[in-house]
Amino acid sequence: SQELEQSPQSLIVQEGKNLTINCTSSKTLYGLYWYKQKYGEGLIFLMMLQKGGEEKSHEKITAKLDEKKQQSSLHITASQPSHAGIYLCGADGSQAGTALIFGKGTTLSVSS
Amino acid sequence: DTEVTQTPKHLVMGMTNKKSLKCEQHMGHRAMYWYKQKAKKPPELMFVYSYEKLSINESVPSRFSPECPNSSLLNLHLHALQPEDSALYLCASSQGPSLNTEAFFGQGTRLTVV
Repeated sequence: SQELEQSPQSLIVQEGKNLTINCTSSKTLYGLYWYKQKYGEGLIFLMMLQKGGEEKSHEKITAKLDEKKQQSSLHITASQPSHAGIYLCGADGSQAGTALIFGKGTTLSVSS
Repeated sequence: DTEVTQTPKHLVMGMTNKKSLKCEQHMGHRAMYWYKQKAKKPPELMFVYSYEKLSINESVPSRFSPECPNSSLLNLHLHALQPEDSALYLCASSQGPSLNTEAFFGQGTRLTVV
């Protein structure tokens, strides 16, 4: 079955600093999803990557999928307190190809 | 409307109680999901409904019973739960059974079993 490893497990950065979160898959990814979650709340969709080498940006967040489609990174530029939360990568983990499974998440804290 | 609405937001129930969680979306999505999330853990898939039919049951105990009365509504019926079932229950929906678009998540129901 699909397994997703995220690193680091947690991260504390100073406001204004850049940071990167990684997600590695045990199998080829046919779709990689990044979500953000505030503790105890629902998941907010950030980005979806499907093609090898694909890169997407939204505001100060950039996500990339490597050419082999087994690794993705999420990069935040000039972090702000509003970026704090839990970042989850997700991929299709079901036999039927219909449902997301998630990595264990990266908890980001931004100190001002 | 890009919302998935879950009710109630919080629920406390005894081990002999019967209760239901409700999830609603009006985006015309034909796939709906239940996830369970324990503290400091990622969401774990429980059930998938595709075109109102149960397509995936991730070996969930029978004390959890899902129901999809129509394309906009998903219920999770709870009966004789255990304290270890206390968790955040998340509902999600996506356009169709193939994962080529994002899944939208509700805010969750925080369930406490006493």
